[in-house]
Amino acid sequence: NAGVTQTPKFRVLKTGQSMTLLCAQDMNHEYMYWYRQDPGMGLRLIHYSVGEGTTAKGEVPDGYNVSRLKKQNFLLGLESAAPSQTSVYFCASSYPGQGKIDEKLFFGSGTQLSVL
Amino acid sequence: RKEVEQDPGPFNVPEGATVAFNCTYSNSASQSFFWYRQDCRKEPKLLMSVYSSGNEDGRFTAQLNRASQYISLLIRDSKLSDSATYLCVVNMGGGYQKVTFGTGTKLQVIP
Repeated sequence: NAGVTQTPKFRVLKTGQSMTLLCAQDMNHEYMYWYRQDPGMGLRLIHYSVGEGTTAKGEVPDGYNVSRLKKQNFLLGLESAAPSQTSVYFCASSYPGQGKIDEKLFFGSGTQLSVL
Repeated sequence: RKEVEQDPGPFNVPEGATVAFNCTYSNSASQSFFWYRQDCRKEPKLLMSVYSSGNEDGRFTAQLNRASQYISLLIRDSKLSDSATYLCVVNMGGGYQKVTFGTGTKLQVIP
């Protein structure tokens, strides 16, 4: 049971380049999330999905797009990377997603992205 | 005022010591509370949920004070392996999309 798998683990981009981060979970979770983590700031939600074919904006969605074509996969895209998008990105999933006591988020191992 | 505030530390404590962290939250309607642990360059992992009546898991005790709007984490008999950053997580209600993460408190246990 792999849990939540993120690829790639590291990436360096030049300003204006595009890329896609892939998140895959094998726990049959409905809810999936993309966060970014920056020094001195808590994890911030970029986009999330409450099920296959659905996506919604989080706290910091600008400059990112997402897709959830299959229940187990949640893709995060950067169409035109900017230095401000240099960050560590975490994917997570949860069931059922209510954030109630005893629920937990399962995180992927993270992607370190640098935009030069 | 930040929605969730934590002392960033670092807290440097000797092995065997007891250490406590607090986390304050601004929204009195917040519904559920958690402590996550994050090792350096790793993903966060749930340490424990925080029950209204307080709860204990081995050497770890979590408490909630709704009147003063803070949660606490107490670690007894600190181990070297407890060295990590502890994230306070507060759910305002309405699912994990309404969750706010604190910036974390760094703990370093010294031999």
